[in-house]
Amino acid sequence: EVQLVESGGSLVQPGGSLRLSCAASGFSLSDHYMDWVRQAPGKGLEWVGRIRSKPHSHSTEYAASVQDRFTISLDDSDNSLYLQMNSLKTEDTAVYYCGKTRYGAGNYIEHWGQGTRVTVSS
Amino acid sequence: DIQLTQSPSFLSASVGDRVTITCRASQGISSYLAWYQQKPGKAPNVLIYAASTLQSGVPSRFSGSGSGTEFTLTISSLQPEDFATYYCQQLLGYPLSFGGGTKVEV
Repeated sequence: EVQLVESGGSLVQPGGSLRLSCAASGFSLSDHYMDWVRQAPGKGLEWVGRIRSKPHSHSTEYAASVQDRFTISLDDSDNSLYLQMNSLKTEDTAVYYCGKTRYGAGNYIEHWGQGTRVTVSS
Repeated sequence: DIQLTQSPSFLSASVGDRVTITCRASQGISSYLAWYQQKPGKAPNVLIYAASTLQSGVPSRFSGSGSGTEFTLTISSLQPEDFATYYCQQLLGYPLSFGGGTKVEV
């Protein structure tokens, strides 16, 4: 059974850093494209970024709003996905979800984690 | 960047109603579109992918259609558990993007 469990969300000051984790089970992270999606309070879904599978060199893509501040990576040894967030802004306040995509048809998100809450405030 | 415009933003409906939600893309995306349902406090769940393919386990009252720039999600007979917010997502071009959402309420 596929499971995704996010952790690491907390209250952080503007300009600070935070690393979110997404522990995966039931499949190998390296075999799939993985996404991060966020949702600000009372707002819609916003795609944050993607890391491609190992055959695609784990290359990454990011939304313009987080480019050069956020970095997606993964650790094969513990099958975990990470989102390193630097230079945080108040507008980064959101629930962050990791998602496992299904290959084909653009790699839509087939499985979602429960989300972890990040609050950026002084 | 590809923008997705969903309409309506809010939809008032009753159990048993036929409901249609539209998603328009700012440029052609072939069939690279998915639909998700989200209930309050929960993660989204995929309903439809490749514009019209029903995700395994999703009730057949949900259907999707369209290609290019105009897409629709239809619920043939609204059930109590279908009151939720629905999002489309384009999967053709980076950055990927979601529509603004359609809240289906009583």
